[in-house]
Amino acid sequence: GAVVSQHPSWVICKSGTSVKIECRSLDFQATTMFWYRQFPKQSLMLMATSNEGSKATYEQGVEKDKFLINHASLTLSTLTVTSAHPEDSSFYICSARDQAVNTEAFFGQGTRLTVV
Amino acid sequence: GIQVEQSPPDLILQEGANSTLRCNFSDSVNNLQWFHQNPWGQLINLFYIPSGTKQNGRLSATTVATERYSLLYISSSQTTDSGVYFCAVGGTGRRALTFGSGTRLQVQP
Repeated sequence: GAVVSQHPSWVICKSGTSVKIECRSLDFQATTMFWYRQFPKQSLMLMATSNEGSKATYEQGVEKDKFLINHASLTLSTLTVTSAHPEDSSFYICSARDQAVNTEAFFGQGTRLTVV
Repeated sequence: GIQVEQSPPDLILQEGANSTLRCNFSDSVNNLQWFHQNPWGQLINLFYIPSGTKQNGRLSATTVATERYSLLYISSSQTTDSGVYFCAVGGTGRRALTFGSGTRLQVQP
């Protein structure tokens, strides 16, 4: 299957700092990537849809100024958590589909963010 | 938006037992996937199955799109099958997946 790589796998940062998470499709192109968040013992919730060359689309209740998304190429999307606070501590996972085939979605390994 | 319900929420099995996990969804879908989330959080693709039946080793899945449900069968369960199983669907005009709440499976030796 297609490979989606996410980096870093885990990060610890101080409250008030910013953290950038990268999501790459390694063997296919994706005009659209998706960012999800998962709190402990809960399901995955869609945060935003990342669109190559245009603005991201955010789900209701997700602060676009706090979670900055950039999709600069067909294989890379980044999520920056700005001015992180302890309540932003969570598991962040990206997803993409091969636009040429447009079938199943594949997920990155996830990033466990801890804000202290 | 589309609603996805999974049952049971928790399941404890003895090694070697069989199980059936269910996923109900509230609207027509053009994408349905089953995942296994391992202890490190990685989502492992099990099946892409918007309709029909597929099998892969000890696992099989069936989706009856007209009745809006899908089933995941696990036969001869092993301790390595433990984890959370998610069903996720995508509807017409929405490429993102909506996840169910998951089934937490524990297989005991």
